Amino acid sequence: EAGVTQFPSHSVIEKGQTVTLRCDPISGHDNLYWYRRVMGKEIKFLLHFVKESKQDESGMPNNRFLAERTGGTYSTLKVQPAELEDSGVYFCASSPGTLQAFFGQGTRLTVV
Amino acid sequence: AQSVTQLDSQVPVFEEAPVELRCNYSSSVSVYLFWYVQYPNQGLQLLLKYLSGSTLVKGINGFEAEFNKSQTSFHLRKPSVHISDTAEYFCAVRGGTSGSRLTFGEGTQLTVNP
Repeated sequence: EAGVTQFPSHSVIEKGQTVTLRCDPISGHDNLYWYRRVMGKEIKFLLHFVKESKQDESGMPNNRFLAERTGGTYSTLKVQPAELEDSGVYFCASSPGTLQAFFGQGTRLTVV
Repeated sequence: AQSVTQLDSQVPVFEEAPVELRCNYSSSVSVYLFWYVQYPNQGLQLLLKYLSGSTLVKGINGFEAEFNKSQTSFHLRKPSVHISDTAEYFCAVRGGTSGSRLTFGEGTQLTVNP
């Protein structure tokens, strides 16, 4: 069974540009989460999808971040325009229920 | 709101020595507790979890953790570490007022030296 897949694994963009991160969850997992770790700090929750609906987006830092989940399958997280403080590792996780989450390898975003 | 404190940011140990990584949480309601590990250049992998029942939880790779409700702690232990245990370890809590999201600690870098 394939795990959670994220790409790209690494992205370097200039301040003001747009970047789109993608997450493919484990097949059949209705729950999909985005988290972010900035500069060695704790991993912080961004938002939670149940199928294609946003269940909780209280962790999204501002309106430069837009998350979508097409047809309840893969999800994208767009940052537009990117700022320096957006640099960090973005993790995606999926779960069939609400107890155990399976994480992807993360996307390391560097904004210069 | 819940919070998780990992008391040591870095723990260096020698191979075959025992290790304890400390984790305290704050929550006014019952929660579920987790330890995740991130090996270099890999994603987060679940080590073990406490949902209910026995307070001593055994996980993969010889790790175990003990849930202590009165101390609000969930410390991770291994009696004898290997070089391959070098990684960053994250304590996390789920439940209560935060629903199904995970709240993580800042991580503990375990470095096992020969």
